[in-house]
Amino acid sequence: EPEVTQTPSHQVTQMGQEVILRCVPISNHLYFYWYRQILGQKVEFLVSFYNNEISEKSEIFDDQFSVERPDGSNFTLKIRSTKLEDSAMYFCASRRGGGSYEQYFGPGTRLTVT
Amino acid sequence: KQEVTQIPAALSVPEGENLVLNCSFTDSAIYNLQWFRQDPGKGLTSLLLIQSSQREQTSGRLNASLDKSSGRSTLYIAASQPGDSATYLCAVKGGGSEKLVFGKGTKLTVNP
Repeated sequence: EPEVTQTPSHQVTQMGQEVILRCVPISNHLYFYWYRQILGQKVEFLVSFYNNEISEKSEIFDDQFSVERPDGSNFTLKIRSTKLEDSAMYFCASRRGGGSYEQYFGPGTRLTVT
Repeated sequence: KQEVTQIPAALSVPEGENLVLNCSFTDSAIYNLQWFRQDPGKGLTSLLLIQSSQREQTSGRLNASLDKSSGRSTLYIAASQPGDSATYLCAVKGGGSEKLVFGKGTKLTVNP
């Protein structure tokens, strides 16, 4: 069964550094998402991406964040100048579209900012 | 602003028991509701999706119901097993929005 995959599973970075989190959505899916979950808190929406552009973003998704689909398979989240409070689990998700609304999530990347 | 609440926060039951997990949302103008399972340190596994026009959805031992007008959904798990131990999350999607708004989850422990 096709799955959303994410790399790396765990990333440790120093405050102020840039990180890129990578995702490979399910191959025939058209809508892509990033969510995050700070330890002990709710899963929060960051951004949705469709047809090579951002379709919706939350207040969290400020100029520090960017997303890209550099080729036909990868979907990336870049975080510039990381802060301690960016430490969280970051989940990528995708859905097929065409009347199908179920979102499928990847295993997550645990980002630790020191 | 949509808020999703899940009660109880934690639940411990003996194996074999039938149980109900609750989810409530403040804005009834939802497009669909999705139930997920999350194992410790892992991703979210989609269990069931109910469209706003549906009253319930079933998958194996799981049955999810939706009462949109009262802002409530329940997840019924029949004949619980230790392997059902996990955190169960519900999330709603509003019309005209792509985002899912999540509850904090119910941590279920099924004791052998």
